[in-house]
Parts: sequence; C-alpha cells; structure tokens
Amino acid sequence: GENVEQHPSTLSVQEGDSAVIKCTYSDSASNYFPWYKQELGKRPQLIIDIRSNVGEKKDQRIAVTLNKTAKHFSLHITETQPEDSAVYFCAAQNTGNQFYFGTGTSLTVIP
Amino acid sequence: GAVVSQHPSRVICKSGTSVKIECRSLDFQATTMFWYRQFPKQSLMLMATSNEGSKATYEQGVEKDKFLINHASLTLSTLTVTSAHPEDSSFYICSAYGGGSYNEQFFGPGTRLTVL
Repeated sequence: GENVEQHPSTLSVQEGDSAVIKCTYSDSASNYFPWYKQELGKRPQLIIDIRSNVGEKKDQRIAVTLNKTAKHFSLHITETQPEDSAVYFCAAQNTGNQFYFGTGTSLTVIP
Repeated sequence: GAVVSQHPSRVICKSGTSVKIECRSLDFQATTMFWYRQFPKQSLMLMATSNEGSKATYEQGVEKDKFLINHASLTLSTLTVTSAHPEDSSFYICSAYGGGSYNEQFFGPGTRLTVL
C-alpha cells in the first residue's frame, strides 16, 4: 500500500515567520493530496488540497506544492499566527480511494 | 461540507466486552466510509474501507473478526470492537466519502474508547 512520510515531526517558529512541512509518498498512482489540521481531541480539518494534475495551489496564507516526479509535496504557511499552532497531517489518496496519512507535525507558533 | 456524526463520543468498558460505534452521514450519501484509529500523539491509521452493501476491506494487520464493520445504508456504518482489551483503547474516527471527482472526505467527531 501507500507509504507517506512527513517531516519534521515538531516545528517551532516565531509569530510572523513561515513554516514548511514536507511529505513524500511511495505510490506514483496516488492522485489527491490533502492537508489537515488537527487540534487535540478533535477531528481533522481539511485546510488545503491539491490534485496530481496541479503543481501548486494557494489559499491566503497557505500554499501547497506538488512534485509528482519526485513524489513529494509540501505545505507552506506564511505570516504564522499563534492560532496556527496544531498538529498538521499530510495524506495521499490512492487509486482505490483510500487515504494514507503522514506521521504528523506538531507546529508551535511562539508569540 | 457534509455533516458526519459519531456515537458515542466517549465510552469506557470492561475488558472482554464488545462496543459498537455508529457513524452517520447526516446530509450526504456516502458510498464509502473509512474507519481510522488514532493512538495518542500518533497519526490516523486507516483500519478499513466500508462500501455500502458490500463487505469491508481491511488494511493489513487489522483483524476483521475483531473489528466488525457493517455499512447497511448510504448514511450509516458501524464499527464493533469485539472482546475489547486495554490495547484497543484509542480514538476511533470515521469519515464519509462520496467518490467520483469530489475527493474530500468528511470526518466524524471521533469516539474515545477506554478499555479497563
């Protein structure tokens, strides 16, 4: 099955700085890559996603890039705010429609 | 997005008992529902894929006889943890998925299971 790796596992940034989280996947046929934000004890929330036919997508302070050849995708958060502090997960959806999650990144934005 | 509910939100049970978790898609016909397990400070691990009217597909390492899944309708899937043991204590989350060109899955709020 699909194997998704995510780095770093923890990330601390000063408020206003940028944060970058990277993921790699193993199944070249995977075609949809969502990013989720999860607060403690809550369900994951979709924050941005990208399909395999697109290289980059941006939504205000959040952007995602995808390199299909290298099988990696990244989340970029600019002008970070304390409320961005949470655990972030990448995921990859395979052709069987299943979602496989990365190991998570705990982001702390220091005021 | 679609609204997905889960019940119960929290359950504490004795070792050896069975626990049923319901996942309902309230305003969305989910051809597929996924069941995940999340241990503390870990990622979501896909347990099984549940398609309406057919048998669930389990991920490698997940015991189908221990985690019984029923997807009787397009709006309801159930997960039964049979003969639960302390190591089954976890956060169980379902998601509803419509498939087609719309890839997004909609998560339930999760069920915290504690087995004593």
